[in-house]
Amino acid sequence: DVKVTQSSRYLVKRTGEKVFLECVQDMDHENMFWYRQDPGLGLRLIYFSYDVKMKEKGDIPEGYSVSREKKERFSLILESASTNQTSMYLCASTSGQRPAPAETQYFGPGTRLLVL
Amino acid sequence: GQQVMQIPQYQHVQEGEDFTTYCNSSTTLSNIQWYKQRPGGHPVFLIQLVKSGEVKKQKRLTFQFGEAKKNSSLHITATQTTDVGTYFCAGRKEYGNKLVFGAGTILRVKS
Repeated sequence: DVKVTQSSRYLVKRTGEKVFLECVQDMDHENMFWYRQDPGLGLRLIYFSYDVKMKEKGDIPEGYSVSREKKERFSLILESASTNQTSMYLCASTSGQRPAPAETQYFGPGTRLLVL
Repeated sequence: GQQVMQIPQYQHVQEGEDFTTYCNSSTTLSNIQWYKQRPGGHPVFLIQLVKSGEVKKQKRLTFQFGEAKKNSSLHITATQTTDVGTYFCAGRKEYGNKLVFGAGTILRVKS
């Protein structure tokens, strides 16, 4: 079974703090993604990465950065947290390989971040 | 940018009633995926549709992909309390490299 883990389930931070969210997958997947989930808006893509040290902006990258130094780990960084970044953050990975349909997204349990 | 609209946003049904959620895209999709997120959980892949007009079934769930590959639906027959959760569609634009999620439909089932 694919396992995607995230460093924290719940996190409370103050405005202006630098925040690191970590995601690790154990299936040697090439592709990793960060989404945020907000009521009524579904999942919105922040950043994704197709390879180590490679990153691409998603639909809402402003206020975020990412790091992929190792294949299994993809970090999301909030440089200076703001209250409008209070959200559920979901990490996902895909292999693009069979037997699952190409690009089936395997999600981590999510990190619920509250910025005060 | 590419939009994937999903309706309804919320549906509350009596156990045993049917349920349908619909997705519509402004552009042609190469494929569409469906996910289910239980309350307090994370999205879990259900199925992928690729071909125009494709219909797939998983027990009481029926998934359809439109002929024009711009819309899709998920129908649940005779809902059960275990069906509770949020159902998301996610489409990939032809020649695109990103999956775009709909806003999700929250299903609640009264027993």
